[in-house]
Amino acid sequence: GAVVSQHPSRVICKSGTSVKIECRSLDFQATTMFWYRQFPKKSLMLMATSNEGSKATYEQGVEKDKFLINHASLTLSTLTVTSAHPEDSSFYICSAREGGRLNEQFFGPGTRLTVL
Amino acid sequence: QKEVEQDPGPLSVPEGAIVSLNCTYSNSAFQYFMWYRQYSRKGPELLMYTYSSGNKEDGRFTAQVDKSSKYISLFIRDSQPSDSATYLCAMSARSGNTPLVFGKGTRLSVIA
Repeated sequence: GAVVSQHPSRVICKSGTSVKIECRSLDFQATTMFWYRQFPKKSLMLMATSNEGSKATYEQGVEKDKFLINHASLTLSTLTVTSAHPEDSSFYICSAREGGRLNEQFFGPGTRLTVL
Repeated sequence: QKEVEQDPGPLSVPEGAIVSLNCTYSNSAFQYFMWYRQYSRKGPELLMYTYSSGNKEDGRFTAQVDKSSKYISLFIRDSQPSDSATYLCAMSARSGNTPLVFGKGTRLSVIA
């Protein structure tokens, strides 16, 4: 149990385009989902926290108009990188927490974004 | 001082060795502690979850929490090459929607 999927696993796009990444909890209802960014050989950097049906809470320094997060249902959250630029190239990972599981947080496999 | 400190390594050990991974923290309110394993280009996988102080064992893995010293450890017995990964500690003060605070991760290599 507690499986989180992400799609796509890898995406290459041209500068200026927008990219949508999906995060799904497959066998539980995720009341809260988190989006992280990870650079090579670096730790996870929390970008935002989203609760189902409400606006996401962004960490300081993360542009909410650039990284659009939607958590429309208890099993799906999306991250859209708008007008992507090469510096947005990174590994994006989501995690999900079920309401009844205290602080256990389950991660997706990640999405590698390359912006040319 | 950072909230969570973790030696990034790399740590290289021979197969069969006992591995000790550690994190220290500064926030005395932390009471939920986790260890994650992350293989290259993959998402982190939850290994161990402990609440408050004490030990927890799961197969070859033992997690220890010493709240008085603000120190947590993960021990791996009989280490295998497949244990080669980055290990991240994570913790939080409250349950619910509070984000976890992560250490930077320790890269471990187990040499056959």
